[in-house]
Amino acid sequence: AQSVAQPEDQVNVAEGNPLTVKCTYSVSGNPYLFWYVQYPNRGLQFLLKYITGDNLVKGSYGFEAEFNKSQTSFHLKKPSALVSDSALYFCAVRVPQTGANNLFFGTGTRLTVIP
Amino acid sequence: DTGVSQDPRHKITKRGQNVTFRCDPISEHNRLYWYRQTLGQGPEFLTYFQNEAQLEKSRLLSDRFSAERPKGSFSTLEIQRTEQGDSAMYLCASSLLRGGEAFFGQGTRLTVV
Repeated sequence: AQSVAQPEDQVNVAEGNPLTVKCTYSVSGNPYLFWYVQYPNRGLQFLLKYITGDNLVKGSYGFEAEFNKSQTSFHLKKPSALVSDSALYFCAVRVPQTGANNLFFGTGTRLTVIP
Repeated sequence: DTGVSQDPRHKITKRGQNVTFRCDPISEHNRLYWYRQTLGQGPEFLTYFQNEAQLEKSRLLSDRFSAERPKGSFSTLEIQRTEQGDSAMYLCASSLLRGGEAFFGQGTRLTVV
C-alpha cells in the first residue's frame, strides 16, 4: 500500500527565515513525488515534482524539494519565507509501476509565516 | 482561461436528493480525475478517466456515485440519494497522458442538510 506522511500539522516561521515542510512516504516501487499548495477557497496549485534525475528539484515561487531515497523523504524548502507563503501544503505520491494512476496525498501542513 | 473549471462552486442540497457536478479539464489533457476532500484531510481519490474510459474507481465510490466522460472532454459526477456524510469538497483534476503533474480545479463544495 502507498502512503504519505506529513508529520507536522502546523509550521510557523518568521518572515525572511528559511522554511521546511516535511514529507515522508512509504511505497512499493519507485515513486513520483509532488508538492501542492492550497490557498483558502482555492483549488490545489502544483509547486514541483520529482520523477527522476537530480535529487534537488526547483519549483514555483522559489520553492525547492530534495528527494532522499534512503530516508524516503521529500521535504519542501524555501530559503526565505514570505507572508504570502502562508497556506496549506500537501505532499503527494504516485507509483506508476503499480498500475495506479492516482495521487496519494498526505493530510497537509498548514504553514504560517509571521510578519 | 485555460485551467480546469468546475461547476457549480457551491451546492447545498437536502438529504436524499440527487446532485450532479461538472468538470471541464484543460483541453489537451487526456486524463481526468475526481477527488474528495474533507476538512482537515488531504484529497482522496475517487475515480480516473483516460479519454472517455473510466479506468479506475476507488472503494470510496459507492454505488450511489457515478461518473461519466462521454466524449473524452468534460466529465460529470453524480451522487444519488445524498447523505450528510457526502458533504465535502469535490475536486477535479486533469493531466497529460504521459505527464506527471495533475492540475486541479477550484472544486465544488457540497453541503448536505
